[in-house]
Amino acid sequence: EVQLMESGGGLVQPGGSLRLSCGGSGFTVTSHFMTWVRQAPGKGLQWVSIIYAGGSTYYADSVKGRFIISRDTSKNTLFLQLNSLRVEDTAVYYCARGSGSTQYDGWFDPWGQGTLVTVSS
Amino acid sequence: SYELTQPPSVSVSPGQTASITCSGDELGDKYTSWYRQKPGQPPVLVIYQDNKRPSGIPERFSGSNSGNTATLTVSGTQVMDEADYYCQAWDRSNVVFGGGTKLTVL
Repeated sequence: EVQLMESGGGLVQPGGSLRLSCGGSGFTVTSHFMTWVRQAPGKGLQWVSIIYAGGSTYYADSVKGRFIISRDTSKNTLFLQLNSLRVEDTAVYYCARGSGSTQYDGWFDPWGQGTLVTVSS
Repeated sequence: SYELTQPPSVSVSPGQTASITCSGDELGDKYTSWYRQKPGQPPVLVIYQDNKRPSGIPERFSGSNSGNTATLTVSGTQVMDEADYYCQAWDRSNVVFGGGTKLTVL
C-alpha cells in the first residue's frame, strides 16, 4: 500500500526554522514528482513547493527564498526546510505524491496526514 | 499568476445532483483534478485528468472541462458526500488550487 507520513511540525518563534519530513512507503519517492501543500486554520489549500523526478524544484512566491524542498533516496523521504518563519506560515503542511506523464497532466495521490506548524511568540 | 475561482458553497438535497464549478482563463486547455476534504482529514483525489475516477471513488462522481470552466458533478448525492472540494490545475511548472467549495447536503 502506498503511504506518506509527515513529521517535524511544532511550535516555533517568528524568524525560526523547522525541517519537515515526509516518509514514503510502497513506492520510491525519487521516481515521482512530490509536492508540499499547506492549509492555514480554517482556510483552503495553498501550494508551497514541488520537486520533480529529475530534481527541478519550484516554489510559491510566498515562500521563495525561505523554504527549501529536497529528498533523500536512501531514506525514501521528502523534506521541506522552513527558514525565516512568519506568523502567516502557521498551517498544517501536507506532502503528496504526484502521478502522470508530465507535470501538465499530473495529479496528487495519496496525501499524508499532515503536520502542524505553529509560528508564534 | 494563474487563478482558479470556485463558489464558496453549494447546497443540495440528498439524492439530487450537485455541480461544483472551477473557473480559470482557458482552463479547458489544461487538465483539472478534484479533491475532497472532510474535517480533520487530508484531501482525497476524486477526479483526475478532467474526468477520470481513481479506484475506490463511486461512479456518482464525474468531471468535465471546457472553455474556461471545469465542473465536478455528484449525482445522487449522499450525506457522506458533504465536504470541501478543491479543484487543481497547472500554471507551467507550478500547482494551482481553487479556493474550495463547501458542499452541504441537507
